[in-house]
Amino acid sequence: AAGVIQSPRHLIKEKRETATLKCYPIPRHDTVYWYQQGPGQDPQFLISFYEKMQSDKGSIPDRFSAQQFSDYHSELNMSSLELGDSALYFCASSNQYSDTQYFGPGTRLTVL
Amino acid sequence: SQELEQSPQSLIVQEGKNLTINCTSSKTLYGLYWYKQKYGEGLIFLMMLQKGGEEKSHEKITAKLDEKKQQSSLHITASQPSHAGIYLCGADIHAGGTSYGKLTFGQGTILTVHP
Repeated sequence: AAGVIQSPRHLIKEKRETATLKCYPIPRHDTVYWYQQGPGQDPQFLISFYEKMQSDKGSIPDRFSAQQFSDYHSELNMSSLELGDSALYFCASSNQYSDTQYFGPGTRLTVL
Repeated sequence: SQELEQSPQSLIVQEGKNLTINCTSSKTLYGLYWYKQKYGEGLIFLMMLQKGGEEKSHEKITAKLDEKKQQSSLHITASQPSHAGIYLCGADIHAGGTSYGKLTFGQGTILTVHP
């Protein structure tokens, strides 16, 4: 069965650079969630989209923005990167028929 | 403080032993999810519990939800090295009744199974 796809899987950036993370939800899933997991920490919710509209917002820095496109894929844009942004970034998707969020493999972002 | 508390934080067992991981919420639980994570990898969905008293099993893993106690337990019978990993409980404790909102996670339980 198709799963959530995230790209890239690994990303290395310098401080103050910009990064774009992409998420392709499971086919026919209309809701996308973004989570950030720091080293040794539990995942923290950043933002979610339902039918291309922002549906909920968590502890997402103002330097970050995200959107969901007409094909339901989502992108997380991160600017002015800081060392503390180094983390695993997960995307999850769900649909109106199943409340379960299915997670992608994550993008490991390292900021040097 | 953590809204979802997991215990124990780590667990080392011998292969073949049974074990239980608990997840306690400080708020009303409307739905509880169990995920498994290998270090540095994605979260694998295990089970979802929605109703008080609900119990689900998959292979050797059983999860229960005690709505009154705002608690869920994950029990593994006859553990195997393949069960090793980080077990995370997650819940929608904000929107009330749906998971269209964010999931809040426990801090995870690191399970090691010695052959």
